[in-house]
Amino acid sequence: GAVVSQHPSWVICKSGTSVKIECRSLDFQATTMFWYRQFPKQSLMLMATSNEGSKATYEQGVEKDKFLINHASLTLSTLTVTSAHPEDSSFYICSASLQVSEQYFGPGTRLTVT
Amino acid sequence: TQLLEQSPQFLSIQEGENLTVYCNSSSVFSSLQWYRQEPGEGPVLLVTVVTGGEVKKLKRLTFQFGDARKDSSLHITAAQPGDTGLYLCAGEVSNTGKLIFGQGTTLQVKP
Repeated sequence: GAVVSQHPSWVICKSGTSVKIECRSLDFQATTMFWYRQFPKQSLMLMATSNEGSKATYEQGVEKDKFLINHASLTLSTLTVTSAHPEDSSFYICSASLQVSEQYFGPGTRLTVT
Repeated sequence: TQLLEQSPQFLSIQEGENLTVYCNSSSVFSSLQWYRQEPGEGPVLLVTVVTGGEVKKLKRLTFQFGDARKDSSLHITAAQPGDTGLYLCAGEVSNTGKLIFGQGTTLQVKP
């Protein structure tokens, strides 16, 4: 149980275009989901906290107008990278919280912006 | 800003050796979690420690949470090549679910 999926697993897009990444909790309902970014050979950095039915809370330094987060249901959160640039190329990982102090991570989405 | 310092960042040892990875912070965390991450995949939870002084064992892995809930360690006994990977500690902020990750420790166990 407690499986989290992400789609797509990898995506290549051209500079200036937008990309949407989906995060789904497959066998449980998650009121809270989190989005992380991981650059090569670095650790995970929290980008934002997504709560179902409300606006996401962004960490300091993360542009909310560039990284649009929507949490429309208890099993789905989406991250849209708008007007992507090469520096946005990264590994984006979501996690879903089953209960406090218990969250499960998706397999990640590799974004490459050319 | 809460920080979690993880050390060492890279460790290369021979099969059968023991090792310890440390995570330290000046901040108190409501829980501390250890993950293992394979290349191109998301982190997989190994253990969560919640109580100060708590010790948990998972086969050859021993996890300890500091008394003040500011630090933690992961000890691996008789490391195997299958233990090779990236180990991450993450502290939870004030029961919010928000995790602050350490820099990670890349472990290489040579046969």
